[in-house]
Amino acid sequence: AQTVTQSQPEMSVQEAETVTLSCTYDTSENNYYLFWYKQPPSRQMILVIRQEAYKQQNATENRFSVNFQKAAKSFSLKISDSQLGDTAMYFCAFMKPSNNDMRFGAGTRLTVKP
Amino acid sequence: GAVVSQHPSRVICKSGTSVKIECRSLDFQATTMFWYRQFPKQSLMLMATSNEGSKATYEQGVEKDKFLINHASLTLSTLTVTSAHPEDSSFYICSALHGVTNNEQFFGPGTRLTVL
Repeated sequence: AQTVTQSQPEMSVQEAETVTLSCTYDTSENNYYLFWYKQPPSRQMILVIRQEAYKQQNATENRFSVNFQKAAKSFSLKISDSQLGDTAMYFCAFMKPSNNDMRFGAGTRLTVKP
Repeated sequence: GAVVSQHPSRVICKSGTSVKIECRSLDFQATTMFWYRQFPKQSLMLMATSNEGSKATYEQGVEKDKFLINHASLTLSTLTVTSAHPEDSSFYICSALHGVTNNEQFFGPGTRLTVL
């Protein structure tokens, strides 16, 4: 079974600064997808970024980038130039393409301070 | 973009009654949908995988007779909480798998169920 671990229950960052959220996972699969989702107070899940395990290049989406270390089974999210609107719960998720089961980490509550 | 809706967004019911929650993919067809449950300040826990035209696959510990799932069309899956009890109060989220966009799941806005 796949497990996803987010070891930081809460984090805070000053507006305009950079913050990194950590995520590790455990799997015996070689092919899989990794995701970071944002859940603001509205509770709507919003995809932030995704990474295919077979791709060595780290995914980037504007201010969001990941550091994917496949051998270490680590998938951290870096948010640059943090904005107040980035305040939310962030969930790391793992998905096997064979059955599309998605497993989530416990989440990190990020607060961006003005 | 791909949009998934849920109805109702909030529901309050009496203990012992049944409640139906609908999940619709509005602009794409989804052969597979997923139902999650999220308790306050916790993560999303997969309850079941709903496949169009076939029986749902339930996660271990989820009572299939209590949480009835029907995926009758390519755009609609329903979750019925039967004989609801206060401990069933939770936030229920569905997602729909968009096969064209490389297996991405699109999430509904969720349904808050409160059982009195």
